[in-house]
Amino acid sequence: EDQVTQSPEALRLQEGESSSLNCSYTVSGLRGLFWYRQDPGKGPEFLFTLYSAGEEKEKERLKATLTKKESFLHITAPKPEDSATYLCAVQGWGDYGGSQGNLIFGKGTKLSVKP
Amino acid sequence: ETGVTQTPRHLVMGMTNKKSLKCEQHLGHNAMYWYKQSAKKPLELMFVYSLEERVENNSVPSRFSPECPNSSHLFLHLHTLQPEDSALYLCASSQENRDREGEKLFFGSGTQLSVL
Repeated sequence: EDQVTQSPEALRLQEGESSSLNCSYTVSGLRGLFWYRQDPGKGPEFLFTLYSAGEEKEKERLKATLTKKESFLHITAPKPEDSATYLCAVQGWGDYGGSQGNLIFGKGTKLSVKP
Repeated sequence: ETGVTQTPRHLVMGMTNKKSLKCEQHLGHNAMYWYKQSAKKPLELMFVYSLEERVENNSVPSRFSPECPNSSHLFLHLHTLQPEDSALYLCASSQENRDREGEKLFFGSGTQLSVL
């Protein structure tokens, strides 16, 4: 069964204090691993897609990496506006006939960055 | 308007009411989805309309009924809901291609539903 586990559940950082969020996954044939950001009362906002082990992507202070078992979201010198819940999701080739919406989500990591 | 628009943003209903949630996407996508987000739980896929097929999570109760009249509009009809159905209901869309790597979903802001 496809599964995603995110850790930690919550993370509190001081502004400028770099850290990493973890996403461990099991999937029968990875079609894609996705990172989303979600602000309170809003829908998830897409950040990155990773397709194969060794792949890395960057956007401003965020960098996502992927291995065969886990993905990391590295946050460098975070600012208060980076505070949000970060969601990880995977999609396998075998789910629901291959429909792309069949993402398996983790519970998320709630990040708080204090000034 | 751009992106994925959901209405209403908030809904309070009694267990005997009938209501509908509406979603519209302005991205030209060919697939639309309903997700449920409850506190302390992962997002749960409820229904998919993709390439004119409907795929559903078999664990979704029949008191939830989707309707997709065309590729831009999606509804979720609600009747005789239970208090445990209170949650954030999210609509999403994507450009589906089953032979290719996964494409990202675009989410709406959601409808926060409270069942009394």
